Amino acid sequence: KAGVTQTPRYLIKTRGQQVTLSCSPISGHRSVSWYQQTPGQGLQFLFEYFSETQRNKGNFPGRFSGRQFSNSRSEMNVSTLELGDSALYLCASSLVPAANEKLFFGSGTQLSVL
Amino acid sequence: KNQVEQSPQSLIILEGKNCTLQCNYTVSPFSNLRWYKQDTGRGPVSLTIMTFSENTKSNGRYTATLDADTKQSSLHITASQLSDSASYICVVSEGYSSASKIIFGSGTRLSIRP
Repeated sequence: KAGVTQTPRYLIKTRGQQVTLSCSPISGHRSVSWYQQTPGQGLQFLFEYFSETQRNKGNFPGRFSGRQFSNSRSEMNVSTLELGDSALYLCASSLVPAANEKLFFGSGTQLSVL
Repeated sequence: KNQVEQSPQSLIILEGKNCTLQCNYTVSPFSNLRWYKQDTGRGPVSLTIMTFSENTKSNGRYTATLDADTKQSSLHITASQLSDSASYICVVSEGYSSASKIIFGSGTRLSIRP
């Protein structure tokens, strides 16, 4: 069974640009959540999707958005990039969006904003 | 405020030695506590998941303990190997609702020296 796939693996952008990251969950998993990881802040929750609906959103500005498609694949978009957006962006999938569900993480997309 | 604190921040030990990592939390209501291993530039991988009623859980050379009364957990690594070099993250779930209610510790960076 294939794991969680995130693309691209690495990305370099400049300030002001926008970026779209993709996440394909494990087959059969319908919940996808996104996280930002930086050396200073650690892992922080961005948002969670289930059945194409955003269920929860973390404390990030509106420049961060996402969506989920009918096949459970998810994308997140960051507009007007800032230097502080440089981070490892991780997505995780689970069968359903429950706190006691096991999360399976992808390898992440390393975003560098210059 | 719900928090998860880990200690030490970093640790260096010799190959073959044992070590113990600590996690203290102030999350309520408590759902479960997980330990993840994260290699540099990769996504976290689940090691153990413990609910309120579980005191100990093992996964090979990894043994996690949980004291729900004192809100403390530890991860003990036996006979360390070079491949154990990674960050270990303690994650506590609040309630039973969704992935948005998980609180991440800042991690312990473990380095194994030959």
